Amino acid sequence: QMQLQESGPGLVKPSETLSLTCTVSGASMKNYYWNWIRQPAGKGLEWIGHVYTSGITNYNPSLKSRVTMSVDMSKSQFSLRLNSVTAADTAMYYCARGYDRFDPWGQGTLVTVSS
Amino acid sequence: DIQMTQSPSSLSASVGDRVVITCQASHDIRKNLNWYQKKPGKAPNLLIHDASNLYTGVPSRFSGGGSGTDFSFTISNLQPEDIATYYCQHSDYFPLTFGPGTKVDVK
Repeated sequence: QMQLQESGPGLVKPSETLSLTCTVSGASMKNYYWNWIRQPAGKGLEWIGHVYTSGITNYNPSLKSRVTMSVDMSKSQFSLRLNSVTAADTAMYYCARGYDRFDPWGQGTLVTVSS
Repeated sequence: DIQMTQSPSSLSASVGDRVVITCQASHDIRKNLNWYQKKPGKAPNLLIHDASNLYTGVPSRFSGGGSGTDFSFTISNLQPEDIATYYCQHSDYFPLTFGPGTKVDVK
């Protein structure tokens, strides 16, 4: 059974870069799309974007100028970088598998942007 | 972007009740609509895909329907373990967007 686990710093300073990694276990990453989704406290879910195992990416236009996603098949990991963060980027960040629907998801990791 | 709305934002029902949540899209999304269950501190779970298809392993008391801009999600026999927030998500084109969620509580 495939499982996903997010990891990364829980606190990032304003204007710096948020970096998260999602580790995939239990099955191969090959030929799937890998997503990042976030949820600020008390707000809805926002799709950030996805990366295919070939490295092709598709980002939400609302974040596109600040987002980079990549995949490392040798480590069974994919990653998110979000630069120039502000308090508005404070959220629970989830990784998930899928092209247009998401399953499974990771448990999520809380990232707070604060000085 | 397609805007998704859900109604109600929260509800409270008794065990055994039938619960219905509606989801509306700002544009015609055909049947490209998924439903998720999210419990506090847990990862979301996919329940329904393509508006009415029950995902593998999901109990049959969950069902979905609709097409175009108007969709529904039903729990036919509410159980205590169904306490969660339920989200719709369109899959018609990118960017994918979610509804604001419906919190379901048991009386």
